[in-house]
Amino acid sequence: EVQLVESGGGLVKPGGSLRLSCAASGFTFSSYSMNWVRQAPGKGLEWVSSISSSSSYIYYADSVKGRFTISRDNAKNSLYLQMNSLRAEDTAVYYCARPAQAGTHESWFDPWGQGTLVTVSS
Amino acid sequence: AIRITQSPSSLSASTGDRVTITCRASQGISSYLAWYQQKPGKAPKLLIYAASTLQSGVPSRFSGSGSGTDFTLTISCLQSEDFATYYCQQYYSYLTFGGGTKVEIK
Repeated sequence: EVQLVESGGGLVKPGGSLRLSCAASGFTFSSYSMNWVRQAPGKGLEWVSSISSSSSYIYYADSVKGRFTISRDNAKNSLYLQMNSLRAEDTAVYYCARPAQAGTHESWFDPWGQGTLVTVSS
Repeated sequence: AIRITQSPSSLSASTGDRVTITCRASQGISSYLAWYQQKPGKAPKLLIYAASTLQSGVPSRFSGSGSGTDFTLTISCLQSEDFATYYCQQYYSYLTFGGGTKVEIK
């Protein structure tokens, strides 16, 4: 079974840092780009960042560029999101999501993880 | 960046109704559009990709149409389990989502 499990969320003060992880199983992780998508409370979905299968190509939404860093460890089947200089508006559930098609980040997503909540508040 | 305008933002409907949700892209995206269903506290679930291809296991009352800039998700006969929020997503150039449509019980 293809599965994505996020962890690392929690409460952090404005200006603080947090590192999210996504553990993948049930598929050849190293063949797929991976993505982070977030959803603020009561709001819609927002794509955050993508990383290609070999980490050669990395993309960020303007809202997080310069503050967030996406990375992956194909040996550990894991995806990461290092979040620095956090703001109240970064409060959201963060999902990792796999493109349905291997080899591209521009695809529909299936599956998604269950999400991890990040709360930025003093 | 490609913007996606989804409408309506919410609607009230009854079981058995036919429901239509639309997404309009700010530029042509061919058929590079997907639809998701999300229930409270859950991750989005893929319904349709490539504008009109039904994901395996999704009931046939869901259908998608459109290409270029205008797209439609139709639920032909609303069931109780269909009350949820629906999102479209373009993957033609980078990735953007529509604002969502909440389908509520009338």
